[in-house]
Order: sequence, then C-alpha cells, then structure tokens
Amino acid sequence: GAVVSQHPSWVICKSGTSVKIECRSLDFQATTMFWYRQFPKQSLMLMATSNEGSKATYEQGVEKDKFLINHASLTLSTLTVTSAHPEDSSFYICSAGGGLNEQFFGPGTRLTVL
Amino acid sequence: AQKVTQAQTEISVVEKEDVTLDCVYETRDTTYYLFWYKQPPSGELVFLIRRNSFDEQNEISGRYSWNFQKSTSSFNFTITASQVVDSAVYFCALSEPLGANNLFFGTGTRLTVIP
Repeated sequence: GAVVSQHPSWVICKSGTSVKIECRSLDFQATTMFWYRQFPKQSLMLMATSNEGSKATYEQGVEKDKFLINHASLTLSTLTVTSAHPEDSSFYICSAGGGLNEQFFGPGTRLTVL
Repeated sequence: AQKVTQAQTEISVVEKEDVTLDCVYETRDTTYYLFWYKQPPSGELVFLIRRNSFDEQNEISGRYSWNFQKSTSSFNFTITASQVVDSAVYFCALSEPLGANNLFFGTGTRLTVIP
C-alpha cells in the first residue's frame, strides 16, 4: 500500500514553455501533498504544501506564479512550471501525507529545460 | 527552529565493512519524529525507518541498526557488513510538531561501497 506515482518520470522542454507534472496517490487518499525540488548532489528542498480544495502554501523564495500547484482531488496534485528556464532544470519529487507524520514519496520527475 | 545536520558528505567503504552515518538534529519541540531515507541512483526515495521522540529504544532490521540518543540529539544509522547495493545517498529527516507532516531533510551522506 501507500504508493505514489508521478508522471512524467522525465521531460525535456524548450525554454519558455510550461510543463505539468502529476502526482497521484494510487491506493489511499491524501489530504496533503508536498512538492520538493532537488538540485544535483543537494538535499530535497520543500517548495510547497498542497491541501485538497484550497490554495497551496509556498515556502519562502518559491514563486507561486511560476510554480502553479493544483490539488483538485484527494488523489491528485499537479505542479505546473510556467515559462520554464534552464535554471528550473531539477529533480521534482512529490509526496503524499500519511498518518503519524509520515510521507510517501513519488519516484520523481527529472526536468531538463533547454 | 528545526535543523538536521549530516556532517559526513561522502563516505567510501570496502564491501563487508561496517559503516555509521551520523545525524544530529535541533528542535524546540518535545514531540517529533525522525526518519532515514535511502536515495539510490534511480532517485526514488526509499523509506527506512521512523522513530518518535518518546521511543529511545535502538532498532535493528537485518544489517541496519539505528541508535537514537536524545541526550545528544543524535539519530545515527549503522550498516553492518556493507554491500555494493547499499551505495546511495542517505537522508536523515525531522518532522514536527505532531500532525504537521512537514519534513526537514539533512544534506545527505553519499555512501559508496567498493567491491
């Protein structure tokens, strides 16, 4: 149980385009989902906390107009990187909140912006 | 404020050696959770253990063992008889307060096991 999927697993796009990443909890409902970004050889940095049916809470320094998060159902959260630039190239990981402060992580999406 | 420190950036050991990964944390709360995750080259985070702040009993799972010392705010992870498949980046993380679900990650330790 507690499986989280992400789609796509990798994406290459041109600078200026928008990219949507989906995060799904496959066998449980998640009121809260989290989006992380990980640059090469660095730790995971929380970008935002996504709550079903309400606006996401962004961490300091994360542009909410650039990284659009939608959590329309208890099993799906999406992250859209708008007008992507090469500096947005990173590994994006989502997680779904479980009980007892646990998070179940997706396999990640590697974004490369040319 | 919450903080997790993994002072060892990279460690290399020869296969079958034991290795300990250090984790020191800071928190003002008395109730919190500590985690260890493994991130192999594929990138997917693998959950290893969750420990709550009220349970200082050490845990052993196969070749893995964890030493939680509340007095020194440390939650160290030992791999016994290391194998090449243990090569990965290991993250220690802290979550608090209870129910908030926010995870604070350390910077990770890259372990390389040499055959």
